[in-house]
Amino acid sequence: KAGVTQTPRYLIKTRGQQVTLSCSPISGHRSVSWYQQTPGQGLQFLFEYFSETQRNKGNFPGRFSGRQFSNSRSEMNVSTLELGDSALYLCASSLSRSGYNEQFFGPGTRLTVL
Amino acid sequence: KNEVEQSPQNLTAQEGEFITINCSYSVGISALHWLQQHPGGGIVSLFMLSSGKKKHGRLIATINIQEKHSSLHITASHPRDSAVYICAVFFTGNQFYFGTGTSLTVIP
Repeated sequence: KAGVTQTPRYLIKTRGQQVTLSCSPISGHRSVSWYQQTPGQGLQFLFEYFSETQRNKGNFPGRFSGRQFSNSRSEMNVSTLELGDSALYLCASSLSRSGYNEQFFGPGTRLTVL
Repeated sequence: KNEVEQSPQNLTAQEGEFITINCSYSVGISALHWLQQHPGGGIVSLFMLSSGKKKHGRLIATINIQEKHSSLHITASHPRDSAVYICAVFFTGNQFYFGTGTSLTVIP
């Protein structure tokens, strides 16, 4: 069974640009969660999508958004990039709601904002 | 204020030692997860607990809901256990919070 895949793996952008990251969950998994990891703040929860609906959202500004498609694939978008958005962005999939089920993490997308 | 406190931050052990990592949280939770992150970034979910104790190989995780505390134990530690261990708490308000992680190094 294929694992969680994320594309691209590495990305370099400049301030003010926008970026879209993609996550393909394990087949059959309906929940996709997104996380940001930085050396200073550690891991932080961005949002969770389940059956195409955003179920939970962390404490991030509206520049961070996401969506989930009918095949459970998910994208997250960051608009008007800031230097502080440089981070490893991880997605994780689970059979059902992430809080109550084992999560399977993708390898992450490392975003550098110059 | 971090809702989740992990200790110790860093831990060095000799191969074969028994290791304990602790996680404390502040309010009522729905579930607690233990994660392992190896150098290079890959994260693996070790356990998901809402009560009691779970065991998988040399790893044991316990949770005490009344005391708002969980522990991760590694028996007979091995150099391949060297990684960062992260406690993640899913609060009843449907929000995930993470501990700052415990960096474990096991020396042969």
